[in-house]
Amino acid sequence: GEDVEQSLFLSVREGDSSVINCTYTDSSSTYLYWYKQEPGAGLQLLTYIFSNMDMKQDQRLTVLLNKKDKHLSLRIADTQTGDSAIYFCAESPRGGGNKLTFGTGTQLKVEL
Amino acid sequence: DVKVTQSSRYLVKRTGEKVFLECVQDMDHENMFWYRQDPGLGLRLIYFSYDVKMKEKGDIPEGYSVSREKKERFSLILESASTNQTSMYLCASSTDSYNEQFFGPGTRLTVL
Repeated sequence: GEDVEQSLFLSVREGDSSVINCTYTDSSSTYLYWYKQEPGAGLQLLTYIFSNMDMKQDQRLTVLLNKKDKHLSLRIADTQTGDSAIYFCAESPRGGGNKLTFGTGTQLKVEL
Repeated sequence: DVKVTQSSRYLVKRTGEKVFLECVQDMDHENMFWYRQDPGLGLRLIYFSYDVKMKEKGDIPEGYSVSREKKERFSLILESASTNQTSMYLCASSTDSYNEQFFGPGTRLTVL
């Protein structure tokens, strides 16, 4: 079955870059997503990448996809205290209907 | 803006009580989902629905049921609450043409 894994914690200094990693097992995934959850809130979509792309850039966010290794990463440039949150990657398996499979989430802590 | 609302932010119930969690979306989305979120486990899908009166089991349906009598409303029911159902419950919705899921703010349920 599908399995999506992330490390649980990441701590960075304000102004540095953050890189959050994710590995997935379903090679048929059509889309891969990054969601952000701020304290006490639901999840909000940050960005997504289609499976035939290997990179997508959106302002401070860069998504890299290595299909061969089934590895997805999210890089946040110039990390700010407002970026402190839990980040979830999710995959949309082909044939999975509209279901998403979420990772365990990575808690990003930004220190001054 | 898509809005997904959940009936309560915080709920405290006793073991054995019947619990109803309500979710309403205002964007005419076909698909609705219930997840529970636990530290270190990420989001796990309980039930989902593709249409009115339709429901499908997710990964952890035991101890839960759902109801979708109207397109905009999806209810999660705990027939007899137990302490291991203490968790954060998140509702989401999506449209058929795009897999992005829109989330509600969550209900933190404590079962004593």
